[in-house]
Amino acid sequence: QLQLQESGPGLVKPSETLSLTCTVSGGSISSSSYYWAWIRQPPGKGLEWIGSIYYSGSTYYNPSLNSRVTISLDTSRNQFSLKLSSVPAADTAVYYCARASSSSRPNFDYWGQGTLVTVSS
Amino acid sequence: QSALTQPPSASGSPGQSVTISCTGTSSDVGGYNYVSWYQQHPGKAPKLMIYEVSKRPSGVPDRFSGSKSGNTASLTVSGLQAEDEADYYCSSYAGSNNFVFGTGTKVTVL
Repeated sequence: QLQLQESGPGLVKPSETLSLTCTVSGGSISSSSYYWAWIRQPPGKGLEWIGSIYYSGSTYYNPSLNSRVTISLDTSRNQFSLKLSSVPAADTAVYYCARASSSSRPNFDYWGQGTLVTVSS
Repeated sequence: QSALTQPPSASGSPGQSVTISCTGTSSDVGGYNYVSWYQQHPGKAPKLMIYEVSKRPSGVPDRFSGSKSGNTASLTVSGLQAEDEADYYCSSYAGSNNFVFGTGTKVTVL
């Protein structure tokens, strides 16, 4: 059974860089069949797609976050990571990692449990 | 890209049906048959319930069904059960390898 687990600091200071890692078990992130995504949810609010990465390293980002987002792969550790720079308080959210079957289909079929990141001084 | 519009809330009694709408534009919902629906219980990760407008992943009850007309997609939950009480989100492909989610609908089982 595929499992995803987010990890990283729960508290980040404003203007600094938020860094999270998603560890995938029960399957390989090097599979050509899937894309790997980051999605976030501010407290009490809706979901927002941040971006996705393919096993080849191709990345796709939400245009509203494009200038601040970097998603990368570490195939040796079966992990993928998110970096979000120059964070304001509005980036406080539960961050989820997820798997999708395509770059054009929002079929996020496996999700991590989510990790709350608070942006505060 | 703007969030897709969903009603904030919907409700029904056990055994009844509830339908949730998800309105976008011709650049997202109306332009592609790539709409998904997610169920989210409090404190939990979302769960994929419908993909590509009307397809159900393995294990999702056939009480859940999806459809689309023009720029509006819909999720219908028939035979409401207590465990269906949750937040529901739609999501659509928005072109150029981008995705957009809906504003979310809280379904209450009366």
